[in-house]
Amino acid sequence: DAMVIQNPRYQVTQFGKPVTLSCSQTLNHNVMYWYQQKSSQAPKLLFHYYDKDFNNEADTPDNFQSRRPNTSFCFLDIRSPGLGDAAMYLCATSRGPQGGETQYFGPGTRLLVL
Amino acid sequence: DQQVKQNSPSLSVQEGRISILNCDYTNSMFDYFLWYKKYPAEGPTFLISISSIKDKNEDGRFTVFLNKSAKHLSLHIVPSQPGDSAVYFCAASDAGNNRKLIWGLGTSLGVNP
Repeated sequence: DAMVIQNPRYQVTQFGKPVTLSCSQTLNHNVMYWYQQKSSQAPKLLFHYYDKDFNNEADTPDNFQSRRPNTSFCFLDIRSPGLGDAAMYLCATSRGPQGGETQYFGPGTRLLVL
Repeated sequence: DQQVKQNSPSLSVQEGRISILNCDYTNSMFDYFLWYKKYPAEGPTFLISISSIKDKNEDGRFTVFLNKSAKHLSLHIVPSQPGDSAVYFCAASDAGNNRKLIWGLGTSLGVNP
């Protein structure tokens, strides 16, 4: 089955210790997104890639970076996690603004910062 | 400013009855609307969508209705099942904003056996 895969499902890190979350997709979609979701809130878009073009949301902290080495993979790097960064991180994909408007989500990675 | 509003934080329905979840929007440029279902500790699952050129879209037990003049859409689930208990998010997008999804805050649906 074509899908969006996120690893790990749960990640524990220490305050200030860099952490990387990964996402892969078998849908061959052009666009990959990273969202942050805190409980009882809607997902908050951090950034997205349209192919290799990186698009950062204006209010995304510099502490959050992303890499997309190829079509299938995308990484979220949190350089110095703070307690406020504890959240569910969601990866999503879509065919693209002209080819498909629906975003498909992975299961998420829950990040805990100690 | 909340462009997509789900005014009911929660809804409780009896199994077998109809669940109606509502969503209002303010931006007339939105032309594509989606409903997602989310279980705790999981990512949102795409449920159903509707383009602004339609006023109804149906997929099995799920039907979405769009009233453009009222800037209102609703999701109907018939019949409701206990497994439908989840948080339902309404989202909208427009081509001029790169198809960025604008989300409502969600409605928690509980279906009682």
